[in-house]
Amino acid sequence: DAGVIQSPRHEVTEMGQEVTLRCKPISGHDYLFWYRQTMMRGLELLIYFNNNVPIDDSGMPEDRFSAKMPNASFSTLKIQPSEPRDSAVYFCASSQLGIGQETQYFGPGTRLLVL
Amino acid sequence: DQQVKQNSPSLSVQEGRISILNCDYTNSMFDYFLWYKKYPAEGPTFLISISSIKDKNEDGRFTVFLNKSAKHLSLHIVPSQPGDSAVYFCAASDNSGGSNYKLTFGKGTLLTVNP
Repeated sequence: DAGVIQSPRHEVTEMGQEVTLRCKPISGHDYLFWYRQTMMRGLELLIYFNNNVPIDDSGMPEDRFSAKMPNASFSTLKIQPSEPRDSAVYFCASSQLGIGQETQYFGPGTRLLVL
Repeated sequence: DQQVKQNSPSLSVQEGRISILNCDYTNSMFDYFLWYKKYPAEGPTFLISISSIKDKNEDGRFTVFLNKSAKHLSLHIVPSQPGDSAVYFCAASDNSGGSNYKLTFGKGTLLTVNP
């Protein structure tokens, strides 16, 4: 398996623009997680899905952030409008129900810079 | 409120010696703990884990120790190799509710192994 795939790897945009980050989880995994990493706050969970259904979005910072999972093999994280403080590395991770289900497998991340 | 703390931002050791990375947690409901390793420009990769019913888990050069009464865990790497140089994240989850797979991460410790 190719692992968790994220695109784009790098994104530079201007304040006010819409940003869409994409994730393809490992095939067969039931859970998908979106994280944000910053120097100040470290790795923080934004939202996670189980079988394509959002379970907990309490980490989503504000209404400018939204996430969808239209099918088992694709998820998006959208920021609209983007702000400079959204600059961070965004990771997607997936895991599989069963033994070792707590182990999450991370993608390479999308480095976002909002000017 | 940081529930998982890695108080040492960095650690430097000589090749062949032991590396000890520490992690403290405050939430007594955490019952599963993991260590992740992260190289620059890559996502975190799972290294080793331990359930709260154990106090030690070993995998090759890596051993994780858990002291529940002190709410403390540590990762030992013996012998340390230059390729171990990376950021190490401690993570914890609370599965007492039955279906909660959220991971809470520490801010990481940068390990540098000098040749």
